[in-house]
Amino acid sequence: GAGVSQSPSNKVTEKGKDVELRCDPISGHTALYWYRQSLGQGLEFLIYFQGNSAPDKSGLPSDRFSAERTGGSVSTLTIQRTQQEDSAVYLCASSRTGETQYFGPGTRLLVL
Amino acid sequence: EDQVTQSPEALRLQEGESSSLNCSYTVSGLRGLFWYRQDPGKGPEFLFTLYSAGEEKEKERLKATLTKKESFLHITAPKPEDSATYLCASSSGTYKYIFGTGTRLKVLA
Repeated sequence: GAGVSQSPSNKVTEKGKDVELRCDPISGHTALYWYRQSLGQGLEFLIYFQGNSAPDKSGLPSDRFSAERTGGSVSTLTIQRTQQEDSAVYLCASSRTGETQYFGPGTRLLVL
Repeated sequence: EDQVTQSPEALRLQEGESSSLNCSYTVSGLRGLFWYRQDPGKGPEFLFTLYSAGEEKEKERLKATLTKKESFLHITAPKPEDSATYLCASSSGTYKYIFGTGTRLKVLA
């Protein structure tokens, strides 16, 4: 069956611009997660959605980061006024509630 | 604070040379210990979930085991295609995973 998909696969932007990253979870998965992976670092938890609600936004690094999920399916992670330190791979995962998380291929973001 | 530590950071093996990767965890109330494989430029690929000490799971040349403080990923007679970064993660709740920084495995032909 179809796995988690993310778009774009790569994004190059200029410092100060806004970017939107999209995640399509596995059909039927009610839980959705965003992580950030920087070079040489472990995966850093950003935000968790259960349905359309985000009970845990504790990992968002600053108020420049926001995310939403609509229809219990697609999610968008938005980074406003990007900074060079935002350069990383942004990974999305989905799961049935309380079960194993399955990851998408990631979006590689480079802020120049 | 929950923590996951993986060792070694990097490992080079000759084809056929068996070895083990370590994942030490400090988690209050472990609900699950997860192993993933990540190839360059790709997202993590799920391998195993372990729930309780003493549990073991196998898949091809890989076997994962769990104790109360650590998990091991044993690789038997590895092949070059097993080269990847192996990630370990723990969960103490219904959703938040704590990841280690991974072990980069290189298997030489």
